[in-house]
Amino acid sequence: DARVTQTPRHKVTEMGQEVTMRCQPILGHNTVFWYRQTMMQGLELLAYFRNRAPLDDSGMPKDRFSAEMPDATLATLKIQPSEPRDSAVYFCASGSGRTDTGELFFGEGSRLTVL
Amino acid sequence: KQEVTQIPAALSVPEGENLVLNCSFTDSAIYNLQWFRQDPGKGLTSLLLIQSSQREQTSGRLNASLDKSSGRSTLYIAASQPGDSATYLCAVKGNTPLVFGKGTRLSVIA
Repeated sequence: DARVTQTPRHKVTEMGQEVTMRCQPILGHNTVFWYRQTMMQGLELLAYFRNRAPLDDSGMPKDRFSAEMPDATLATLKIQPSEPRDSAVYFCASGSGRTDTGELFFGEGSRLTVL
Repeated sequence: KQEVTQIPAALSVPEGENLVLNCSFTDSAIYNLQWFRQDPGKGLTSLLLIQSSQREQTSGRLNASLDKSSGRSTLYIAASQPGDSATYLCAVKGNTPLVFGKGTRLSVIA
């Protein structure tokens, strides 16, 4: 059963702490996306990769967010230092082949609460 | 910049009704449009993907149409059931990754 796996599913932390979220894309998929979902803004793109190379991270606050793909089976999103306004659900999605025609598959999300 | 709007934001219908969810987008230069379902506290499940060259896609009781020139898509749900209760999101793919609407929250009352 191929699926996108995200950890942790839930994270509660205090302001100023570092948070790392991990994503295992579907095996064989070469594009990976990070989205953030809030009630006010809906789903917003933070960053995406193709063949492990970052293509666009303009949606991320650069001073505190960073996204990497250490290898083809792992994508990470790090927030340092975290702030209460970062509280949201963070989704990872992966796709294969050409991204202009391909379907995206989403993980279950990581729900982050920053106190 | 692509903007996606979904109307209504929330909808409540009795079981058995046929219903239509609407999605509009501002830039008609798209490659595809995808409809997703999201249950509370869960991720997004892809329902239907329509390529820009297609007019509609069907899966079971679901039918999605696309009118690229007018920037509109509809998701038709036939014979609605309580299990259809969820948030339905529309997303379009153009020269940027998927841009999402804010969704329509559907409640089907038994």
